[in-house]
Amino acid sequence: AQSVTQLDSQVPVFEEAPVELRCNYSSSVSVYLFWYVQYPNQGLQLLLKYLSGSTLVKGINGFEAEFNKSQTSFHLRKPSVHISDTAEYFCAVTEVVGADGLTFGKGTHLIIQP
Amino acid sequence: DAMVIQNPRYQVTQFGKPVTLSCSQTLNHNVMYWYQQKSSQAPKLLFHYYDKDFNNEADTPDNFQSRRPNTSFCFLDIRSPGLGDAAMYLCATSEERLAGTDTQYFGPGTRLTVL
Repeated sequence: AQSVTQLDSQVPVFEEAPVELRCNYSSSVSVYLFWYVQYPNQGLQLLLKYLSGSTLVKGINGFEAEFNKSQTSFHLRKPSVHISDTAEYFCAVTEVVGADGLTFGKGTHLIIQP
Repeated sequence: DAMVIQNPRYQVTQFGKPVTLSCSQTLNHNVMYWYQQKSSQAPKLLFHYYDKDFNNEADTPDNFQSRRPNTSFCFLDIRSPGLGDAAMYLCATSEERLAGTDTQYFGPGTRLTVL
């Protein structure tokens, strides 16, 4: 079984400042890693995913994440945030073999302050 | 353009009164999933269908059932809702079973209130 920990339930950031949302995972097998964003009153939307290869993954809306196997982390970053980035961000994992659904973290609420 | 549609967006039911939540998709995907998301918690997978093949998670309560009459529709039935079943219910689809290589597309969710 796997688990995901998002250490910060809320992250307040000023507009145009950089941000990092932290994600750590635990699994006894190889996993794929994802970040999803949920805007108010909307469904989850895939930001980016790590399957294999380069550990730095670029996604939509200027976000990127880096897979660190030794630290079992997959932190999400953006160099300059906008008001429109205000949303809930979920980190998720699934096993490379045999799994069908996603295991999510509890989410981090990104609050952009003008 | 809506790809995964959930109806209704808000549902209120009474304690013990059966309720059905609906999900439909225009993507013609093989796999449909139901997740439960309680307040301030992570979405939790309840079950999924791969075509007509139903797959229940081990810890999903018996109170929760699902039906998939065709490729486009999937229903979540809660036979006797308790107060603890109040949550957001998310439907998702993917083209194939391997969630790693296929993106899951989520609907907007149905928020269930149990009185």
